[in-house]
Amino acid sequence: GQQVMQIPQYQHVQEGEDFTTYCNSSTTLSNIQWYKQRPGGHPVFLIQLVKSGEVKKQKRLTFQFGEAKKNSSLHITATQTTDVGTYFCAGQWGAQKLVFGQGTRLTINP
Amino acid sequence: GAGVSQSPRYKVAKRGQDVALRCDPISGHVSLFWYQQALGQGPEFLTYFQNEAQLDKSGLPSDRFFAERPEGSVSTLKIQRTQQEDSAVYLCASSLVYDTQYFGPGTRLTVL
Repeated sequence: GQQVMQIPQYQHVQEGEDFTTYCNSSTTLSNIQWYKQRPGGHPVFLIQLVKSGEVKKQKRLTFQFGEAKKNSSLHITATQTTDVGTYFCAGQWGAQKLVFGQGTRLTINP
Repeated sequence: GAGVSQSPRYKVAKRGQDVALRCDPISGHVSLFWYQQALGQGPEFLTYFQNEAQLDKSGLPSDRFFAERPEGSVSTLKIQRTQQEDSAVYLCASSLVYDTQYFGPGTRLTVL
């Protein structure tokens, strides 16, 4: 079936350290999207990746889509306390519904 | 410029009760989605509307779950004879067709 596996489940870092979360699908995706959910909040769209090998940057955040369009990563450079939350990847396979990964919960020690 | 709104924000139901959850999408958004998010998990797709047509209901976990969007705007998710395993946050999202999905704040359902 259509599944997206995401690791790690949890990540605790010191403020200023880098953070990376990875997503993998066993089948080729149409696109992959990334969302951030703050504690008690709802998912907020960050970015969509569509093209094979695509790399997009948003300030300290770097998003990559694999050449085979089966995996993706989100890297945050020099984390800040405002980065706290759970980061989800979500895949689409042509249909409109999103299939979310399990999320990576990021906590930061100031 | 309002976002997606959902009501109620919190709902406590006794096991066996029926509940109705409401979603007001962003004005003009054709597509509307319902997701269920269990504690510590990612959202899971329940159903999808394009205007008033329910195009995909493959994620509804049982026939106790029913969704409607009769006029292509507001949507209601109804759960009959609630069970404890139905406890979760129910998220609604809306979008233009094949565009970014914007999520509402969710309804946290607790079944006792």
